[in-house]
Amino acid sequence: DAGITQSPRHKVTETGTPVTLRCHQTENHRYMYWYRQDPGHGLRLIHYSYGVKDTDKGEVSDGYSVSRSKTEDFLLTLESATSSQTSVYFCAISESVRDTYNTEAFFGQGTRLTVV
Amino acid sequence: GNSVTQMEGPVTLSEEAFLTINCTYTATGYPSLFWYVQYPGEGLQLLLKATKADDKGSNKGFEATYRKETTSFHLEKGSVQVSDSAVYFCALSPGAGSYQLTFGKGTKLSVIP
Repeated sequence: DAGITQSPRHKVTETGTPVTLRCHQTENHRYMYWYRQDPGHGLRLIHYSYGVKDTDKGEVSDGYSVSRSKTEDFLLTLESATSSQTSVYFCAISESVRDTYNTEAFFGQGTRLTVV
Repeated sequence: GNSVTQMEGPVTLSEEAFLTINCTYTATGYPSLFWYVQYPGEGLQLLLKATKADDKGSNKGFEATYRKETTSFHLEKGSVQVSDSAVYFCALSPGAGSYQLTFGKGTKLSVIP
């Protein structure tokens, strides 16, 4: 199994509070992603990173920010949590392979976030 | 843009039945195609993949063939087991310098004894 650790695994927070989720990898992969999973929507990309301090927005980035100060850590922050951000959040990693752009992603176990 | 459409679930089958989960995609260029599986309470695991047209991915008795002419990547298994109960996601990676995955909405499979 790929070495990906998400923390916390479960969190309940109040509307309006800031929340930070952490993803830590031991694989030294270049690419890291944050997805959210919701019933009827599958997985949707929030933000991704293609290197230290290099990040970009995904499909559903509003209300979220990310930071990557080290290769192994990718943080997702909800600046002011809302009930619509109640979801399961997955971190994923992937690596570039010479002469191919198509590599699979490896996923963490997920963080279940509830905003009340 | 890129998109993946897979059959809506849930799907309920008896043990040893034949499984097909349909997946079609829209993408420019030459995407790679994947099937991921998610068991209850866990993250997604790669089940199989195919990186070019006519490739067949296979794993654990599951198979899927990359059909460029029909833009499809249907998942099949000849005889399902109770342990195959899970949610299955079809996904594509568009290539051309992009490592982002686009997922279908998932199909929940329940296999009953």
